Amino acid sequence: QLVLTQSPSASAPLGASVNLTCTLSSGPSNYAIAWHQQQPEKGPRYLMKLNSDGSHSKGDGIPDRFSGSSSGTERYLTISSLQSEDEADYYCQTWGTGTVVFGGGTKLTVL
Amino acid sequence: EVQLVESGGGLVKPGGSLRLSCAASGFTFSTCSMNWVRQAPGKGLEWVSSISSSSSYIYYADSLKGRFTISRDYAKNSLYLQMNGLRAEDTAVYYCVRGLGVVVPAPFDFWGQGTLVTVSS
Repeated sequence: QLVLTQSPSASAPLGASVNLTCTLSSGPSNYAIAWHQQQPEKGPRYLMKLNSDGSHSKGDGIPDRFSGSSSGTERYLTISSLQSEDEADYYCQTWGTGTVVFGGGTKLTVL
Repeated sequence: EVQLVESGGGLVKPGGSLRLSCAASGFTFSTCSMNWVRQAPGKGLEWVSSISSSSSYIYYADSLKGRFTISRDYAKNSLYLQMNGLRAEDTAVYYCVRGLGVVVPAPFDFWGQGTLVTVSS
């Protein structure tokens, strides 16, 4: 059974960098994931697809400040030069045979 | 410009039915898998259902237990979700979401703005 685990919250100062983590809690470590951002009172937005080797492909219009990396069962989203509009919920998503799974989401606060 | 516009949400009594629609534009609808995802008030995202580009493959979340049916109309570039036997716990914003590529399951790469379904007596 596929399970994705995310920390419920994270925070970092304006202009700093932050790493958000999504952990594949079961299944093979070679699963790709996708990262999505949900700003307050808005629908989610696709950020990127992140492969197990760390290669990633971003959605249209996603700034260079957003990047991804992988290590074992961990998938990371790094946001550099934090801006106020980056304050949002971030969800990871993966997929397997006949199913799609979301992590519980991380609420990012920009201080 | 890619657009996914959901409609059909509203207030329905427990046990009732509702049909959600999603009008797609700005991309070749017949070459993309499509999905429904819901979000209960104050909660996270929950996958509901996926349909492949050809409609040959369809999957549902186990929790739905056969109450929901996904379908698509290529002539109208539209995705649908028929929801029967609605329960209070089905109250959520329902998002229409495009998948990357033709197969399912797949990563999601474009989201609609959502339509609110409220199940209450």
